[in-house]
Amino acid sequence: LAKTTQPISMDSYEGQEVNITCSHNNIATNDYITWYQQFPSQGPRFIIQGYKTKVTNEVASLFIPADRKSSTLSLPRVSLSDTAVYYCLALPNDKIIFGKGTRLHILP
Amino acid sequence: EADIYQTPRYLVIGTGKKITLECSQTMGHDKMYWYQQDPGMELHLIHYSYGVNSTEKGDLSSESTVSRIRTEHFPLTLESARPSHTSQYLCASSESRNSPLHFGNGTRLTVT
Repeated sequence: LAKTTQPISMDSYEGQEVNITCSHNNIATNDYITWYQQFPSQGPRFIIQGYKTKVTNEVASLFIPADRKSSTLSLPRVSLSDTAVYYCLALPNDKIIFGKGTRLHILP
Repeated sequence: EADIYQTPRYLVIGTGKKITLECSQTMGHDKMYWYQQDPGMELHLIHYSYGVNSTEKGDLSSESTVSRIRTEHFPLTLESARPSHTSQYLCASSESRNSPLHFGNGTRLTVT
């Protein structure tokens, strides 16, 4: 079971790029790195998933180095509405444990 | 957008009542999950299922029970609700082990 470690909290300002790093030292060969976003009183929402190198969608980019022991979620030009908790998980994982995530606070 | 529905959205009941929280998905997903989350706190996995007639307990011990008689339906039952059960309950499903989870909007339960 790959354990992931992320910063507990981060602050940033509107318009800036935010990078959240996740460590997963014991990631398995067939694990995918998956990121979720959660707003208060809502369920987590899938953001992006990747296996290696770089993946980009309309919301974020995900960078995974060759050794796959860490990954970085990049949010371009954040706004106040990006204030949320962000979770990094390694799948497949039968018992999907979310952990504490990173509480991102965007300031005006 | 994934189709996973939870009812009721909000529920206030008295101590000792039996309740069932409903969760249904229309995507034919085999894997389904129940999480419990208090405001501002982390998600705790309380039950999961690999498919029909399969149920497992999660990491957080819970007095609730679940059943999986049909692929699309994964209800959670509390036989005798207590104030300590007050929380938000989130249901999720996924297509396969590598696939992202899709969450419902949750049920916010208050036991008085």
